[in-house]
Amino acid sequence: RKEVEQDPGPFNVPEGATVAFNCTYSNSASQSFFWYRQDCRKEPKLLMSVYSSGNEDGRFTAQLNRASQYISLLIRDSKLSDSATYLCVVPLYGGSQGNLIFGKGTKLSVKP
Amino acid sequence: SQTIHQWPATLVQPVGSPLSLECTVEGTSNPNLYWYRQAAGRGLQLLFYSVGIGQISSEVPQNLSASRPQDRQFILSSKKLLLSDSGFYLCAWSPGTPGSYTFGSGTRLTVV
Repeated sequence: RKEVEQDPGPFNVPEGATVAFNCTYSNSASQSFFWYRQDCRKEPKLLMSVYSSGNEDGRFTAQLNRASQYISLLIRDSKLSDSATYLCVVPLYGGSQGNLIFGKGTKLSVKP
Repeated sequence: SQTIHQWPATLVQPVGSPLSLECTVEGTSNPNLYWYRQAAGRGLQLLFYSVGIGQISSEVPQNLSASRPQDRQFILSSKKLLLSDSGFYLCAWSPGTPGSYTFGSGTRLTVV
């Protein structure tokens, strides 16, 4: 299994839809997980952190399943402005200082 | 507040030419600093990281090098660029907490 694996998409959804992305990771020792958002030709920006079973922030919910080693990101009531690539990120413990392993990202396109 | 500056935003360089990309951080001290590269259609790849002045760790063997001459300055260099060095180069800093990266706006390098 690759260190961090995501469905590349693209996910094309209408405004108002609910969409979910999954991400699997290989390092069972990982304790924290992150979702970053990257707009086209821009730098990634931290969207959410997941330290336990899950985290919710407005329309965004991140969930963690340690047994199956996957995390998910749920977006409710999609907005046009949600169109971006969503990167699943897992720290590489036991090696470098706080280094992160980035998934290749899932592209979301929200249409009117 | 902390800010990170990265320049130039875009760069077109011929094969065999040297490279120097600079990144500076303001508003913090002793940050962990990182250089990532994102090639077209690929995920972010960690190139170098630094936990202090003069301390550089390389994650992958390649045509590039990094230096940290000052606490808040991180430089990415190459003596002779290859076509394969083209990509989106991102500098990031963190206070040491895994996951809480702040990225610079990136440099889009095209080697021709």
